[in-house]
Order: sequence, then structure tokens, then C-alpha cells
Amino acid sequence: KAGVTQTPRYLIKTRGQQVTLSCSPISGHRSVSWYQQTPGQGLQFLFEYFSETQRNKGNFPGRFSGRQFSNSRSEMNVSTLELGDSALYLCASSEGLARLSYEQYFGPGTRLTVT
Amino acid sequence: AQRVTQPEKLLSVFKGAPVELKCNYSYSGSPELFWYVQYSRQRLQLLLRHISRESIKGFTADLNKGETSFHLKKPFAQEEDSAMYYCALVDSNYQLIWGAGTKLIIKP
Repeated sequence: KAGVTQTPRYLIKTRGQQVTLSCSPISGHRSVSWYQQTPGQGLQFLFEYFSETQRNKGNFPGRFSGRQFSNSRSEMNVSTLELGDSALYLCASSEGLARLSYEQYFGPGTRLTVT
Repeated sequence: AQRVTQPEKLLSVFKGAPVELKCNYSYSGSPELFWYVQYSRQRLQLLLRHISRESIKGFTADLNKGETSFHLKKPFAQEEDSAMYYCALVDSNYQLIWGAGTKLIIKP
């Protein structure tokens, strides 16, 4: 099976702009989780989608949003970008909800730089 | 607050020596704990989870509720074990909380 794919791999944006990141899960996986990874804060959970519904949300401002489509592909949107949003954004897919300890398979990440 | 602590940012051991990567957690209740690994230029991947009580690539991790620890151990380190290791916990909100990670370097 093909692994989790994320597009784009690299992105440079300016403060105040908005950005959309895409994640295609492994075929058959219904859960997609998003994480932000920074040198200062490490890995932090953003949200999890399952069957097109947000099932869980981390402690991030409302500027961070996401959605999941019927084919389980997911997008993450960040509006009004701030310098602090510069990070590696990781997507992970699993057969079931992460809470049920299904193994998560990670994508390569999207490196977002905000200038 | 629920937290995962990996006290060592960097751990360097010689090939063939035992390895212990420390992970301490704060959580009231029965925790679900994981170890994830990221090899150079590869993706983050699950190494093992405590509910499975498995040994993967020679690594084991035992949950010690008294000491609130989930240390990762391997009796004889191999050069291919060099990687970044993350300990993670499913918190009461069913979210994965991650430790800061430990970079393991195996010296030849």
C-alpha cells in the first residue's frame, strides 16, 4: 500500500496570509490526525478527523481548522498566519480512532515557513 | 497536568552496550503509552506500545506505575538503532501527548 502523502512538502508564506495543507491517508484508513512540530514545543496534537467529522481538537486557536472528505483525504487550513506558525506539520492516518490505540502512520510532513 | 518527560535530549552509547531511554509521565489512571522512532530521513513510526507487551527490534518497554515510567531498553545496541525516539501518552482527552524526544547515537 502507498504510504501517507502530504502536499506540498515545502511552503513559504507571508504573515497575514492563509494556507491549506493536504493529506492523503493510506487506503482504507478512516482516521487522519494532524500535528505541529516545532523545535521549541515539540510535537503537538492539532486535531483528528474520522468519517468526515472532527473527533478531537488540541489546544490551538481557531485560526487552525481542518476538514475531511468522503475519501478520507484531509486538509488543514491556517488563516492569518503568524511567524510562530512556522513549523513542520505532520499528518498521520490510522484504521480507527487514535484513542483506541490504532497504530498511526505518519506522512513526511509539510514544512511551512512564515516570513 | 498530563505530561511526558524524556529527560535526555541526547544519549550516546557504544555498539554492543545496553541502552535505556527514559520516559516519565504524569497521568492519573491507567495510561496508554507508546514509543515512536524516527530514523534519519525516514518518517516517524511506531516502535512499540505497552498494551502489546511486545519486543520490536530487540527493544522492550515496561510500564512501571509506581515510578510512572515507561523506559525503553535494549540489551545490546546496534548502529542501526541510531535515531530519534519519542515517548507518547494518550491523555484523558484521548489526545497523544509527546515527549520532547531523545536522540540516540550508537558509536561504533
